[in-house]
Amino acid sequence: NAGVTQTPKFQVLKTGQSMTLQCAQDMNHEYMSWYRQDPGMGLRLIHYSVGAGITDQGEVPNGYNVSRSTTEDFPLRLLSAAPSQTSVYFCASSPGTPKNYGYTFGSGTRLTVV
Amino acid sequence: AQSVTQPDIHITVSEGASLELRCNYSYGATPYLFWYVQSPGQGLQLLLKYFSGDTLVQGIKGFEAEFKRSQSSFNLRKPSVHWSDAAEYFCATGGGNKLTFGTGTQLKVEL
Repeated sequence: NAGVTQTPKFQVLKTGQSMTLQCAQDMNHEYMSWYRQDPGMGLRLIHYSVGAGITDQGEVPNGYNVSRSTTEDFPLRLLSAAPSQTSVYFCASSPGTPKNYGYTFGSGTRLTVV
Repeated sequence: AQSVTQPDIHITVSEGASLELRCNYSYGATPYLFWYVQSPGQGLQLLLKYFSGDTLVQGIKGFEAEFKRSQSSFNLRKPSVHWSDAAEYFCATGGGNKLTFGTGTQLKVEL
C-alpha cells in the first residue's frame, strides 16, 4: 500500500513550457485534490475531484488543468509555466468528504520556473 | 467562509518543555478542525481531528488539542517536546469538499 504517489519530486521548467505533475493513489479514495504551498501562505487549493469524471476549481485554478479519468489518477497540467507557479505542489486524497476524514498527502513536487 | 488563523509564525522551545500552538477558527456552527505536521521535505501528516463530542482530542505522537468554543480556539499541546518534533504545524478546517489551511507555525526545538 503506497498511499499517494507524486512524480516527479523535483522539476525545473522554462517560462512558457508545459508539463504534467502526476498523482496516483492506491487506496480507492473518491476525493482527490491539488494544493500549492508557498512560504507564509499555507496551502491553497488549486483543483479537486469528488470522483472519476468530476472535477472542480479551487481557490487558485488559473494556469492549471486537471482531469480524472480513473479513481486512481489525478494529474495536474501546467499549460504555459510562469515564474509565479514556482511552488511546492501536493496531491491529497480522502475516502469521502475531506471534512469527515481529513486528507492523505503525497510527498510533494518542488517546481521551479525560470 | 470558514477559516483558521495561526497567530505564531515561529516558536522555539527547549527539549523536554511543554508546547502549545495556537489556532483560532471563524465559523458559526461546530467546525471540523484538524492539525497536521510537516517534516522538512515531506508531505503533511494528520495528527488529530475534531468534529464533535469530547472537546479534548488525543492524537498521534503524544499530541492533544482542546476545542474551546468560547475562545474560538483549537490549540495543539504536548507535555514534553522531543527534538524530532521540530517541524511545521498546520491547523485546518473542513467545509464543502475541501480543507482550508492556516499559514503554519514553524517549531524549533533547542537541545
